[in-house]
Amino acid sequence: GAGVSQSPRYKVAKRGQDVALRCDPISGHVSLFWYQQALGQGPEFLTYFQNEAQLDKSGLPSDRFFAERPEGSVSTLKIQRTQQEDSAVYLCASSLEGEGLQETQYFGPGTRLLVL
Amino acid sequence: RKEVEQDPGPFNVPEGATVAFNCTYSNSASQSFFWYRQDCRKEPKLLMSVYSSGNEDGRFTAQLNRASQYISLLIRDSKLSDSATYLCVVREDTNAGKSTFGDGTTLTVKP
Repeated sequence: GAGVSQSPRYKVAKRGQDVALRCDPISGHVSLFWYQQALGQGPEFLTYFQNEAQLDKSGLPSDRFFAERPEGSVSTLKIQRTQQEDSAVYLCASSLEGEGLQETQYFGPGTRLLVL
Repeated sequence: RKEVEQDPGPFNVPEGATVAFNCTYSNSASQSFFWYRQDCRKEPKLLMSVYSSGNEDGRFTAQLNRASQYISLLIRDSKLSDSATYLCVVREDTNAGKSTFGDGTTLTVKP
């Protein structure tokens, strides 16, 4: 079956430009997660949705980062006025319920963002 | 200090070797533990969950020591296809949605 998909796969932005990254979770998955992975590091949690409700946004690094999931399926991560330190791979993951401690999170292929 | 720490490696081992990775976590509220595998320029994929009693899946064995806040992964009879980065992941009881990842340990298995 179809996994988590993300678009675009690659994005080059000029410093100061706004970008929008899209995530399509696995159909029927209630929970959706965004992570940021810098080169040579593990993924860092950004935010988490259960259906359309954003339950945790503690990992968003600044108010330039905004995420939404208005209909409880597709999610968009928006970064305003991009800076060079925003360059990273942005990973989206989904899980069936999200509340179980042993729930598996399935990752998408990521969007590789480069800010020049 | 990071919440989840791993030896970055790299570990370079011959085919057939046994190799062990360690991971320590600082948050005593952590309740669930996982090992993920990430191939170069690919997304992380779940390798196995780690249970209190320890668990095995084929050539892979995971152990948890709650008292020492330490997790391990043992790979026996290494294959070339085991070459990847292995990420240690923990989740807290109070926020099951959020996963905290280590920076990973890189393994290269050579012929």
